Amino acid sequence: ETGVTQTPRHLVMGMTNKKSLKCEQHLGHNAMYWYKQSAKKPLELMFVYSLEERVENNSVPSRFSPECPNSSHLFLHLHTLQPEDSALYLCASSRGTAYNEQFFGPGTRLTVL
Amino acid sequence: LAKTTQPISMDSYEGQEVNITCSHNNIATNDYITWYQQFPSQGPRFIIQGYKTKVTNEVASLFIPADRKSSTLSLPRVSLSDTAVYYCLVPPQGASNTGKLIFGQGTTLQVKP
Repeated sequence: ETGVTQTPRHLVMGMTNKKSLKCEQHLGHNAMYWYKQSAKKPLELMFVYSLEERVENNSVPSRFSPECPNSSHLFLHLHTLQPEDSALYLCASSRGTAYNEQFFGPGTRLTVL
Repeated sequence: LAKTTQPISMDSYEGQEVNITCSHNNIATNDYITWYQQFPSQGPRFIIQGYKTKVTNEVASLFIPADRKSSTLSLPRVSLSDTAVYYCLVPPQGASNTGKLIFGQGTTLQVKP
């Protein structure tokens, strides 16, 4: 499999649930990103990882917890979310943070009830 | 905040050339200009990137004048499948080489038959 993959593609969860989003890149990149896209809004950068180290946390609430165990995998752990957190969550990767060509996955459509 | 300005929407017809202009008055000396395309419920896709003058690939051309305060994405002979949102990006001030891309509202291009 090539490119950037994300699982699950769709997720419905209650506000008290704990779930995780998974992203995997098969491009040999060493920078990975989480973005959030709410309805009718621009993409918002959430986190940036470079060489498995978090280099950017764009004022994201602590109910979103990222994890990057290696350069190919990125997780977003979710707990006690709010309905307004319902959105499309996109993962991306790039050769390094100096490169503006980011490769995006298909996204996870999250609905919080 | 995004530091680029582009039209919110544009309409075109199949077979026409479409030019989308973006202004970036405060672009830093070393920054590249990057354009992405996004279809509904999908992640953005890199189209083209340039620094000055003209860049062309199999999808589009990018024209950048000498002062680099604006750029124009040119899509030759558009088809219905080119209906999408097009984003013009430059790194935020002081954040070059950080991977921090700020997506604005983009330009929604509607191609009609």
